[in-house]
Amino acid sequence: GAGVSQSPSNKVTEKGKDVELRCDPISGHTALYWYRQSLGQGLEFLIYFQGNSAPDKSGLPSDRFSAERTGGSVSTLTIQRTQQEDSAVYLCASSLYTGELFFGEGSRLTVL
Amino acid sequence: DQQVKQNSPSLSVQEGRISILNCDYTNSMFDYFLWYKKYPAEGPTFLISISSIKDKNEDGRFTVFLNKSAKHLSLHIVPSQPGDSAVYFCAAKVGLTGGGNKLTFGTGTQLKVEL
Repeated sequence: GAGVSQSPSNKVTEKGKDVELRCDPISGHTALYWYRQSLGQGLEFLIYFQGNSAPDKSGLPSDRFSAERTGGSVSTLTIQRTQQEDSAVYLCASSLYTGELFFGEGSRLTVL
Repeated sequence: DQQVKQNSPSLSVQEGRISILNCDYTNSMFDYFLWYKKYPAEGPTFLISISSIKDKNEDGRFTVFLNKSAKHLSLHIVPSQPGDSAVYFCAAKVGLTGGGNKLTFGTGTQLKVEL
């Protein structure tokens, strides 16, 4: 497709389970970002991939969060041992190096 | 530490009138500012931006004003239309090319344009 694709669009899980969220960026975009939006909060930066450089992980809230980007394209955000405070909409975006960020529709995670 | 602040969580305006959305920032290293618009169940979409070397940027009905000394920017929408009803996020970054495009976002303002 032409835009950023994220899956699943909705995920309900039980506390303590692991979840994986997937992002398929726009073809040719070198940069990929993960943000999350908790209820009543702004968009919180999580992690940023740029080409083959080491990712900027400065926004990851704990070591339960990790992300990888395979082949410079698809990215997976993994949350281990989910907690209720992890409930949020997780947004992925991609861009050319200095260009506008294009966001996907997000993955809504609910931890019961 | 909220480096980008949108102190009004909501704003209601009549159709045809001006909408003014405000944003304040604390990091003096920010030198590029953007506004994103978000409809429910959709990702944010880019609306307009401004570099710190300017104090105004206009695109159709949308104008962004930047006051660097006050660390304040605002988005003006004239005339407001019902389709403008959405959440508006202010965002900022350090450097046009440095650090890639890592943006710091505000908490958003829900704009409702009433008929």
